[in-house]
Amino acid sequence: KAGVTQTPRYLIKTRGQQVTLSCSPISGHRSVSWYQQTPGQGLQFLFEYFSETQRNKGNFPGRFSGRQFSNSRSEMNVSTLELGDSALYLCASSRKETVGSPLHFGNGTRLTVT
Amino acid sequence: SQQGEEDPQALSIQEGENATMNCSYKTSINNLQWYRQNSGRGLVHLILIRSNEREKHSGRLRVTLDTSKKSSSLLITASRAADTASYFCATEETSGSRLTFGEGTQLTVNP
Repeated sequence: KAGVTQTPRYLIKTRGQQVTLSCSPISGHRSVSWYQQTPGQGLQFLFEYFSETQRNKGNFPGRFSGRQFSNSRSEMNVSTLELGDSALYLCASSRKETVGSPLHFGNGTRLTVT
Repeated sequence: SQQGEEDPQALSIQEGENATMNCSYKTSINNLQWYRQNSGRGLVHLILIRSNEREKHSGRLRVTLDTSKKSSSLLITASRAADTASYFCATEETSGSRLTFGEGTQLTVNP
C-alpha cells in the first residue's frame, strides 16, 4: 500500500499570501488529521476530518481551514499568512472506525513565510 | 497545549545500551501511543498500549503504563545508531477522538 502523500514538500510564501496544502491518505483510510509542528510549540492539532465532515478542531484562528473530498483526500488552507505560520505541516490518516487506530503520517510540507 | 510532558528532553547513549524515556499526562485516556520521528520526516507509529494494559512488548521496545500516576515509559533495549530520532508519546483522551502529543525526547545513539 502506498503511504500518506503530502504535496508540496517545500513551500516559500510571503506574509499576507494564502497557501493550500494537499494530503492523500492511505487507501481505505477515511480519517485525516492535520498537525502543525514548530520547535517552540511542538506538535499542535489543527483539525480532523472523517467522511468529509470536520470532527475535531484545534485551537487555531479562522485563517486555518480545511476540507475533505469524497475520495478522502484532504486540503488545508491558510489565509493571510504570518511569519509565525512557518512550520512543518503534517497530515496523518487512520481507519478511525474504532478507538485506538494508530495514525499514519506523511513526510509533511515545510512552509516558510518571509 | 501539550497533554504530555516527556522526560528527558534529550538523551545520548552508546550503541548497545538501553534507552528509557518517560511521559506524563493529565487527563483520562483510552490509550497511549509512542511514535518516532527522524529529522525532517513524518512520525512513525511504534506501539499502542490501552488504558487497561500495564505493559506491552514489541521487538526491542517495552512500554509500561501506570494510569494511577498518569505516566508511561518507553524502553528501547540494545540500542543501535539507527534508533537516533525524536520519540513522542501521544494520548487519546476519553473525552474526544483527537491524539495529543508530548514535546518529545531527542535520542542520540553513538556508534
